[in-house]
Amino acid sequence: RKEVEQDPGPFNVPEGATVAFNCTYSNSASQSFFWYRQDCRKEPKLLMSVYSSGNEDGRFTAQLNRASQYISLLIRDSKLSDSATYLCVVNIEEYGNKLVFGAGTILRVKS
Amino acid sequence: NAGVTQTPKFRVLKTGQSMTLLCAQDMNHEYMYWYRQDPGMGLRLIHYSVGEGTTAKGEVPDGYNVSRLKKQNFLLGLESAAPSQTSVYFCASSPDGHPSRKLFFGSGTQLSVL
Repeated sequence: RKEVEQDPGPFNVPEGATVAFNCTYSNSASQSFFWYRQDCRKEPKLLMSVYSSGNEDGRFTAQLNRASQYISLLIRDSKLSDSATYLCVVNIEEYGNKLVFGAGTILRVKS
Repeated sequence: NAGVTQTPKFRVLKTGQSMTLLCAQDMNHEYMYWYRQDPGMGLRLIHYSVGEGTTAKGEVPDGYNVSRLKKQNFLLGLESAAPSQTSVYFCASSPDGHPSRKLFFGSGTQLSVL
């Protein structure tokens, strides 16, 4: 079983739509959680950290469910520029607090 | 401020050839990492360093060696390239190893081994 699993998609949505991605992780000792964004053939960049109480950054909302071991990302009012691959990233203490990346979920926003 | 710079951006090797990928950061970060990214898989950690003069193995270290002689540079070497090492390689750095820290990535190296 992969340590971090994501639906690869692609999710094809029209502009203005709301879309949500989930990610599950297997290690209950995981401490920190993140969503990174990766544009085609580019490096990953941090989109947002995910906090236990949930957090919001503009049109983006992240949630953490420790009991069920999943995190989610909600994007409201999707823009064309949101088209990218979204990587779920989890800190796993066994690797000395290094990050483990999911394979990513592809989002395509169309006009 | 350049951040994290990787060279080269593209490289084609024949099986058995050797090469070195260079990663340089100008942010005075202690931690540096080398990842590889393959289709359908997440980034996988090859090796990492927690400071000048230190290196450690990640999840997929076989076939690679690294060195961190200077704090700002982290080199990844392939002594005898194999087709299975065809991948996109990313270098990253962080100020320290705190689990809440974000990673700063270089722009990647596309390596093809024929």
